[in-house]
Formats: sequence, structure tokens, C-alpha cells
Amino acid sequence: EVQLVQSGAEVKKPGESLKISCKGSGYSFTSYWIGWVRQMPGKGLEWMGIIYPGDSDTRYSPSFQGQVTISADKSISTAYLQWSSLKASDTAMYYCARTSMVRGVIDWFDPWGQGTLVTVSS
Amino acid sequence: QSVLTQPPSASGTPGQRVTISCSGSSSNIGSNTVNWYQQLPGTAPKLLIYRNNQRPSGVPDRFSGSKSGTSASLAISGLQSEDEADYYCAAWDDSLNGYVVFGGGTKLTVL
Repeated sequence: EVQLVQSGAEVKKPGESLKISCKGSGYSFTSYWIGWVRQMPGKGLEWMGIIYPGDSDTRYSPSFQGQVTISADKSISTAYLQWSSLKASDTAMYYCARTSMVRGVIDWFDPWGQGTLVTVSS
Repeated sequence: QSVLTQPPSASGTPGQRVTISCSGSSSNIGSNTVNWYQQLPGTAPKLLIYRNNQRPSGVPDRFSGSKSGTSASLAISGLQSEDEADYYCAAWDDSLNGYVVFGGGTKLTVL
């Protein structure tokens, strides 16, 4: 079974750093892209960026470029999303999801991780 | 303001057929395929329809998708109480360096 399992909920203070993870199993982790999607409380889905663990090729949404860093460690089939200095507005649920890219176009996201809730509050 | 436009809400009674629209532009729906996701309350999104009208295995054939020009639609026939969820359309947008755009989501209520 193809599965993405994300790290647990986090509570942080503004200005702190954070790295959350997404571990893939049941498929060749280096053959698919992993995307990250933000969902702020009571709001819709926003695409943040993607990474190809095979060679760490990374693309960011214009809205999130420079705000977060996406990385991966293919030796342990894990992708990461990190912040160097959190803000209260980063409070949200973050999902990872598997995808493909064909001729430079991202395909559908399937499956999705269970989500990681990040709460940033002083 | 989402790039793809969906009605914020929709409703129907059990057994009814409902449709959810998704409007975009030439740089997204007009030139790329549309995917639909279902998000049940308190859970992660799940792929419902891909490449405009394809159903992943396990998705009932009550769910169908279509696309015409710069708009797409999700139809749910034989509505059931367990269909009550948020539904999102998504597509690739060719503008800038390319990125994924989502609709704002439609909350479906089964009356």
C-alpha cells in the first residue's frame, strides 16, 4: 500500500524554527515528486511547492518562494518542509502528497499524508 | 481570492444529483487537465477525479467530472449522506514559471 506518514503536531513560538517530515512507503520514493499543501484554519488548499527526491529538484509556488524550504533525504524516503523563523500566520495544517510531473506539468496528488498541524503562538 | 472559482456551498437531498462548477482561465483549465479532491470533515483531502473525468479505483461511479473550455464540473448522482464534504478543483497554471492552483472549495451539505 502506498502511504505517506507525516510527523506529529507542533506548537511553536514566533521566531522559532521548525522542520516537519513526510515519510513515504510502498513505492519507489525516488520515482515520484512530493508536494506540500497548506490549509489555514477554516480555509481552502494552497499549493506550496514540490520536490523530486531522486535528484532534489525543487519548485516553489510564487506565494511561498523564500518563505519555506523543501528538502528530502532519499536514503530514508522522507521529505521535509521547514521554516527558519515562524510567524503566527504560519498556523495551519500542512499536507504532503505524492505526484508526478509530465512535460513540466504537475499531475494529480495521490495519496495524501494525514497532515501536520502547526500552531504558532506566543 | 482563489485563481479557480467555485461556489462556496451546494446542497441536495439524498438520491438527488448535484453539480459543482469550477471556473478558470486559458492559462489553467483552458490548457491543462482538472483534478477534483474530496475532503471529509477532519480528514486529509482525497483524490476523487483526475484528468478531467477519470475515477481512481475505489471511487464510486456516482462521481463524474467534465471540462469544457475554461470551466469544469463535478457531478454527484444518487447523493448520499456520506458525500457531505468539501470539494476542491485544481489545475496546473502555465503563467509565471507554472504552479498548481486550487479552487476555494465548495461545502456540500446533504439535507
